[in-house]
Amino acid sequence: GAVVSQHPSWVICKSGTSVKIECRSLDFQATTMFWYRQFPKQSLMLMATSNEGSKATYEQGVEKDKFLINHASLTLSTLTVTSAHPEDSSFYICSARDFREYNEQFFGPGTRLTVL
Amino acid sequence: GQNIDQPTEMTATEGAIVQINCTYQTSGFNGLFWYQQHAGEAPTFLSYNVLDGLEEKGRFSSFLSRSKGYSYLLLKELQMKDSASYLCAVRADRSYGGATNKLIFGTGTLLAVQP
Repeated sequence: GAVVSQHPSWVICKSGTSVKIECRSLDFQATTMFWYRQFPKQSLMLMATSNEGSKATYEQGVEKDKFLINHASLTLSTLTVTSAHPEDSSFYICSARDFREYNEQFFGPGTRLTVL
Repeated sequence: GQNIDQPTEMTATEGAIVQINCTYQTSGFNGLFWYQQHAGEAPTFLSYNVLDGLEEKGRFSSFLSRSKGYSYLLLKELQMKDSASYLCAVRADRSYGGATNKLIFGTGTLLAVQP
């Protein structure tokens, strides 16, 4: 099956700093990638839909100026958490949809962010 | 609004059969997915239903009734490794919010398989 990677797998940062998370589709082209956040013992909450070559579509309540998304190529999307605070600590997961496979999203392994 | 309900936790015995239910109320519908997620890991795809009826895939089967807004995931011959969270997700219609077929996830069901 298709493989999606994320980097880094975990990161610890100080409050007020910015953190960039990369999501790559390794063996397929992804015109659409999705960014989710998951708090402990909770389900995945969609943050935004990332479209290659255009602006991301953010879910209600998600600050687009705080969570910057860039989908510069068909295999890479990045999420930058700007001016991170402890409440941003969470598990961030991306998924990508292969344009040839309509019915399946492939998830990355996730990035554990801890803000001190 | 969008609402997807699942039981929070379930317990079953190794070798048995368990059914995990999911009910949904969404503004659009374009398919229902089941994912398995082990703690600290990303979800992995289990099944997909878009038409009414049962889809069987080895030890896992998934059922959908669109008129009732209802689905279930059936796990047979349970193994200890099946202990995980099971997530029900609905794909919203293309017209919803302008997004591109995004998935809306339920809260997940934590299944514990006991010896």
